[in-house]
Amino acid sequence: GAVVSQHPSWVICKSGTSVKIECRSLDFQATTMFWYRQFPKQSLMLMATSNEGSKATYEQGVEKDKFLINHASLTLSTLTVTSAHPEDSSFYICSARGGLKPNEQFFGPGTRLTVL
Amino acid sequence: KQEVTQIPAALSVPEGENLVLNCSFTDSAIYNLQWFRQDPGKGLTSLLLIQSSQREQTSGRLNASLDKSSGRSTLYIAASQPGDSATYLCAVDDTGTASKLTFGTGTRLQVTL
Repeated sequence: GAVVSQHPSWVICKSGTSVKIECRSLDFQATTMFWYRQFPKQSLMLMATSNEGSKATYEQGVEKDKFLINHASLTLSTLTVTSAHPEDSSFYICSARGGLKPNEQFFGPGTRLTVL
Repeated sequence: KQEVTQIPAALSVPEGENLVLNCSFTDSAIYNLQWFRQDPGKGLTSLLLIQSSQREQTSGRLNASLDKSSGRSTLYIAASQPGDSATYLCAVDDTGTASKLTFGTGTRLQVTL
């Protein structure tokens, strides 16, 4: 139980384009989803927290107009990187909280974004 | 602000050796601490979660201890195997509801044949 998936697992895009990453909770309803970014050989940094049906809360220093988060249902959250640039290249990981273990986050497999 | 540090940053051991990974945190007012494993290019796999009221948790060859008052946790891996090679991350929950996890910098472990 408590499986989280991400799609795509990797994506390459041109600078200036937008990329959407999906995060799904497969076997539970996620009241909250979290988006993290991880640079090579570094730890996870929380970007934003989203609750179903409400606006996401962004961490300090994260541009909300650049990283658009939508949590339209209890099983799906999306992160859209708008007008991507090479410095946005990173590993993006989502997690979800809810279901039978509401006080624990369950992590997705991550999405590798490369912006050329 | 909570800060989590892991030492060493990297570790290489021969197969069969027992080893200890360390995690320290600056604010002892935590609700729980969790150890994760991350393989290259992959997401996080939860290994052990220790509640603040617990001293240790065990799963197979893994044993995690928590000394909340001193702000320390250790992950003990017995009889290491090449398949244990990965990055190990610890994370603390200050909220009790997993609203915000603070991650350590990780220890990259390599177990050699």
